[in-house]
Amino acid sequence: DADVTQTPRNRITKTGKRIMLECSQTKGHDRMYWYRQDPGLGLRLIYYSFDVKDINKGEISDGYSVSRQAQAKFSLSLESAIPNQTALYFCATSDLSSSATGELFFGEGSRLTVL
Amino acid sequence: AQKVTQAQTEISVVEKEDVTLDCVYETRDTTYYLFWYKQPPSGELVFLIRRNSFDEQNEISGRYSWNFQKSTSSFNFTITASQVVDSAVYFCARLDFGNEKLTFGTGTRLTIIP
Repeated sequence: DADVTQTPRNRITKTGKRIMLECSQTKGHDRMYWYRQDPGLGLRLIYYSFDVKDINKGEISDGYSVSRQAQAKFSLSLESAIPNQTALYFCATSDLSSSATGELFFGEGSRLTVL
Repeated sequence: AQKVTQAQTEISVVEKEDVTLDCVYETRDTTYYLFWYKQPPSGELVFLIRRNSFDEQNEISGRYSWNFQKSTSSFNFTITASQVVDSAVYFCARLDFGNEKLTFGTGTRLTIIP
């Protein structure tokens, strides 16, 4: 089983619908991230959370919200999806303890298409 | 924002040729980490290497090698004797210690022609 699991892996939805992408991890990491990947733009950070009570906006948070339900779970919501939110979304985790060096562990990605 | 620049959008080489992927980064920090990730056609992100800013020693891992030069703010990646399985999108990334957010370049799509 994957250490970082994203659901759904693929979703097609219509403009205006509410969508939730879920991420769960078994690595015991305190830090979780949501990234969006668009062709030619690389990965851009949407939101990140350093622990259950700490939520921070990334560079492209408009139109998104998140919930850190537990240390192991971090959900991304699109309250009213629009076509330009069509992208590949990645959840990632990390553990920046004093001995760690910042490697991110990625889920397999969730491909979202908004029609 | 401090950027990571991968100027090569796409590269195609014939199998067995060597290829170098360029990465130039901006940073105002003295402590940071640099990464390379591979994204094969299946879509997952595969960690390749991490270097910290205090270690400029070049690294070789099989057919892969990395050249880190702080003087030019570059962290280039060379694949020797390329293979079709090397075809992927490769991302360079930077993490500033204390900021703790990974900033990615826009990626280089590498195609190895059989």
